[in-house]
Amino acid sequence: NFMLTQPHSVSESPGKTVTISCTRSSGSIASNYVQWYQQRPGSAPTMVIYKDNQRPSGVPDRFSGSIDDSSNSASLTISGLRTGDEADYYCQSYNSSIDVFGTGTKVTVL
Amino acid sequence: QVQLVQSGAEVKKPGSSVKVSCKASGVTSSTYAFSWVRQTPGQGLEWMGGINPLFGATNYAQKFQGRLTLTADESTSTAYMDLNSLRSEDTAIYYCAFGGWFGIPFDPWGQGTLVTVSS
Repeated sequence: NFMLTQPHSVSESPGKTVTISCTRSSGSIASNYVQWYQQRPGSAPTMVIYKDNQRPSGVPDRFSGSIDDSSNSASLTISGLRTGDEADYYCQSYNSSIDVFGTGTKVTVL
Repeated sequence: QVQLVQSGAEVKKPGSSVKVSCKASGVTSSTYAFSWVRQTPGQGLEWMGGINPLFGATNYAQKFQGRLTLTADESTSTAYMDLNSLRSEDTAIYYCAFGGWFGIPFDPWGQGTLVTVSS
C-alpha cells in the first residue's frame, strides 16, 4: 500500500505562518481526498480539514489545505499562529479499502 | 451533533483479550460507520478497521486480521472492538471514530481508552 510522510516537527513564532507537508509514497495524491487532524496533548484528534481543502464548521479560516500534483503531496497551512495551535497534526487518506495516517508533525509555537 | 463515549481504561495480561465499547449519541442518519484507530505511547495514529452497523460489514487492516473483531449494535448505536492474543506492544490508547468507512472522514472521535498489557 502507500505511506504518507510528514516532517517530524515545525516551529514558528506567534502570528507567523507554518505549512506542513504530507507526501504520498505511491499513487496519486489527487486520487483520494486528504483530511487533516489536530491532536492537542492529552486529547483525542479533531478534524481541521476534510476533502483536501474544506473546513468543518468551527475551524477558523486560519487553517487551509491544498494538494500539489507535481510533488504528490498535500499541505496544511496555519496562518496567524497562536499558542493554542501547538499540537500534533496528522494527514490521512484512503485507497482500496485501506485508511492511512501520516507520520505526524509536531507544531511548536515559539 | 454526534458524540462518542468510550468505556474505561483496562489492564490486561499477555495472551488475554480486551473489549472496548463506543456509544454514539446524536446520530440522525441510518447509514453510518464506526472506525477504530490506536496510538501507542509517543507514537502516531494507526488505523485498525471499521464497521458499518446497518449491513454488519467489516473492514480490517491486514496487520490485525485474525486478532481483531469489530461488532456493533445498531439499536443502541454502540460499537465494540475486541482484540485478542494481547502482547505488550498492544499497550496503547484505542480511539473509536465516526465515519472512516471507505474514504469517509473520521469525525468526531471518542475520548480514547487506554489499554495496558502487562504481566
